[in-house]
Order: sequence, then structure tokens, then C-alpha cells
Amino acid sequence: DAKTTQPNSMESNEEEPVHLPCNHSTISGTDYIHWYRQLPSQGPEYVIHGLTSNVNNRMASLAIAEDRKSSTLILHRATLRDAAVYYCILSPRSDSNSGYALNFGKGTSLLVTP
Amino acid sequence: NAGVTQTPKFRILKIGQSMTLQCAQDMNHNYMYWYRQDPGMGLKLIYYSVGAGITDKGEVPNGYNVSRSTTEDFPLRLELAAPSQTSVYFCASSHQLQNTEAFFGQGTRLTVV
Repeated sequence: DAKTTQPNSMESNEEEPVHLPCNHSTISGTDYIHWYRQLPSQGPEYVIHGLTSNVNNRMASLAIAEDRKSSTLILHRATLRDAAVYYCILSPRSDSNSGYALNFGKGTSLLVTP
Repeated sequence: NAGVTQTPKFRILKIGQSMTLQCAQDMNHNYMYWYRQDPGMGLKLIYYSVGAGITDKGEVPNGYNVSRSTTEDFPLRLELAAPSQTSVYFCASSHQLQNTEAFFGQGTRLTVV
């Protein structure tokens, strides 16, 4: 499976935008890019996903490079509640018998300071 | 909506004891998963299921067993607990399509002493 590379940690001030980078240079043409986050002592929660085009939802935006070898998760105004570990995950195409299990790395730990 | 429900939330086991971690989802998802998360690490896949009656091993299946008799339930069984199984366990479910989100439970924190 294609792997992703993320910084171990990042820091942001409250109410400022945050750009979380992810490199996935071995991505295949059918891999989706997913982002999940894990708040302290909770299970992961879905943030956003995309294939080729940039995506926006109520939580965040996902900017995907034209060659798809990298992507950036954008939190437009960080709040203290956004302090979490953010995981960038590639979801490869697979047949119906193997599921779509997510391959979690260590992610980026985001610290938000008041 | 309940989503994915895991029980219990916490458990302490003695070495050699057995237990079942329960997981139920009410979203009619075909795909269900069990992960474990050790301190400071990402989640590792233990077992997964693509539908009732079908299960398969993930990355770290040793010491665990699963069953999937219904679409809703996916219990994880530890037969002979070992200290190396001290971890936080997460159950998840998803629709079968690749480009949809997975939903996770709140986790079961297990300590084996």
C-alpha cells in the first residue's frame, strides 16, 4: 500500500488558519486521500476526503496537488477543540472481499494555543 | 443516532483470562473493523469483516478471534489474555464503497495484569 508522510507535530494559535501537510509520492491513480482526526481519549473521526479536486466541507478544506503526490488539510480558524492528532490516509481500490480498512500512521499532533 | 457502540469502556484482566469486546452498529454497514492502538502510536488493524459470516485477518490478528453472525454485531474475543494485549481497542464500520467515511466507536481501554 502507498504510504503517507506527515510532520510529527505542529502548533497554531487559536483563530488562525492551519495548514497540515501530507506527502504521498507513491499514490496510485485510484487511491482516495482521507483525513481523520483523533481528539484526546476518543475514537478517530472523519474529517474530509478527496480524489483529485479540492474539497470543502463544514470542518475543513482539502487541497490536493495537481500531481496528487501531496495534499494539505486546511483548518480555516483553529479552535482549542481542534487540538488532536490528524491522520492522512490513502484508501486504495480493493475488491469487495478485502474491505476498505484504513492504514493509520502516527499522524500529526496539532497543538492549539490561546 | 447511536452509530458504533462499544462495551465495556474499561476492563482489567488478569493474565490468562478471556473476555469478549462487544461492538454494535446501527447504520446497516456491511464492513466492520477492529483496531488496536498502543500509546503514542497509530491504529493497527486486527480483523475485519465485509459482511455477515465473512471475516478476515488484519495486520495483528494473533491472540484474537472474531465472529460476524449479524450485520449489526462484530465481537472481538481474547482467549488467553497477555500483557502485550494491553491497549485501547476501537471498532469501526463503513459502507462498502471506497469513498465514504468510516465511523468509530469510543474505544475499550483494556489492561492485562
